[in-house]
Amino acid sequence: NAGVTQTPKFRVLKTGQSMTLLCAQDMNHEYMYWYRQDPGMGLRLIHYSVGEGTTAKGEVPDGYNVSRLKKQNFLLGLESAAPSQTSVYFCASWDRDVYEQYFGPGTRLTVT
Amino acid sequence: QQQVKQSPQSLIVQKGGIPIINCAYENTAFDYFPWYQQFPGKGPALLIAIRPDVSEKKEGRFTISFNKSAKQFSLHIMDSQPGDSATYFCAASEEAAGNKLTFGGGTRVLVKP
Repeated sequence: NAGVTQTPKFRVLKTGQSMTLLCAQDMNHEYMYWYRQDPGMGLRLIHYSVGEGTTAKGEVPDGYNVSRLKKQNFLLGLESAAPSQTSVYFCASWDRDVYEQYFGPGTRLTVT
Repeated sequence: QQQVKQSPQSLIVQKGGIPIINCAYENTAFDYFPWYQQFPGKGPALLIAIRPDVSEKKEGRFTISFNKSAKQFSLHIMDSQPGDSATYFCAASEEAAGNKLTFGGGTRVLVKP
């Protein structure tokens, strides 16, 4: 049971490049989330999904897209990266039985 | 706008002291209030959580106090240890809205030996 995993762990992009962050969970959770963490601002929700094939916008969705083609995977895409997207990105999944969100180890993204 | 405000931003205490972190929220629909602990380079991990029908909850050395009328809640770390040095985040969510967590800005706690 690996919990929530994220790939890659680190990435440097140039402005305008695109990339996809992968989140995987092996706990059969329906709900999954993408957050970004910036200094002094805590974590802010980008997008979330309440089940396979569904996605919804969070607090800061602009510049990001997501897909949930398989229940265990939640992908976060940046089509044209901007320096303002330099951040640490965390994926989480929610266990409704114990009412706990489990977070992945994070992806540190730098856009130059 | 930040719906959950957390203070202070940082805190230094001696071993055995009681760091206290405070949070205030605005959305009265929130029905779940967790605290997360984060170590450098790691993801946040759930520490303790409370529902609004309870005024206090203790788990080990960690206590949440909750004041529904004031829309405030706080975390107390009793008999703090150097291993408690971490960043702490309060959060709030509404189950009916998908349990999306709204986080406070975080408090960096340093416990000196």
